[in-house]
Amino acid sequence: DSGVTQTPKHLITATGQRVTLRCSPRSGDLSVYWYQQSLDQGLQFLIQYYNGEERAKGNILERFSAQQFPDLHSELNLSSLELGDSALYFCASSVVRGYGYTFGSGTRLTVV
Amino acid sequence: GQQVMQIPQYQHVQEGEDFTTYCNSSTTLSNIQWYKQRPGGHPVFLIQLVKSGEVKKQKRLTFQFGEAKKNSSLHITATQTTDVGTYFCAGGPDSNYQLIWGAGTKLIIKP
Repeated sequence: DSGVTQTPKHLITATGQRVTLRCSPRSGDLSVYWYQQSLDQGLQFLIQYYNGEERAKGNILERFSAQQFPDLHSELNLSSLELGDSALYFCASSVVRGYGYTFGSGTRLTVV
Repeated sequence: GQQVMQIPQYQHVQEGEDFTTYCNSSTTLSNIQWYKQRPGGHPVFLIQLVKSGEVKKQKRLTFQFGEAKKNSSLHITATQTTDVGTYFCAGGPDSNYQLIWGAGTKLIIKP
């Protein structure tokens, strides 16, 4: 257990639907990062939050959005899902921004 | 923008052979971090290098950071089946405190 909790572990949904992925960072970590990893691919940075505020955006589609709540947990919302959105979605957290990420076990999203 | 190139994409080795992956950045990095992702797993932080020319060892793993802080390598001596996975380097952070990730090198042990 890395200390970063992601739910659900698996999600199967139909095209056009909307899903919410949840992440609880490691205790004490203020930074939360979301990444997408397609099959056998690298890590694509989506978005970062620091202590409740959005700090950086990567290649995040307009159909995707995220937020970090006062208790520091974060949610990633994916809407109007397409087949190509099928991937592993990782959340990571860190104590200091940009250093030593701790990743959760990921949510595997399958869009059918 | 800033990029970190990582090679090779795949490396097939016999168990007991050595393995090396290389990362090269287009710009000077403040630090380089290495992560390992086992098949079906999540990336796990291995180490961070900060100083120019720094060399760190973890058992059979040797990590180097170049003098110019633009390149890095990970060398595994006498690979074992437990070493299987994808090794990622990540440089940075950039001005937005983001890591710039390499594409990863997949270590495959030949049967």
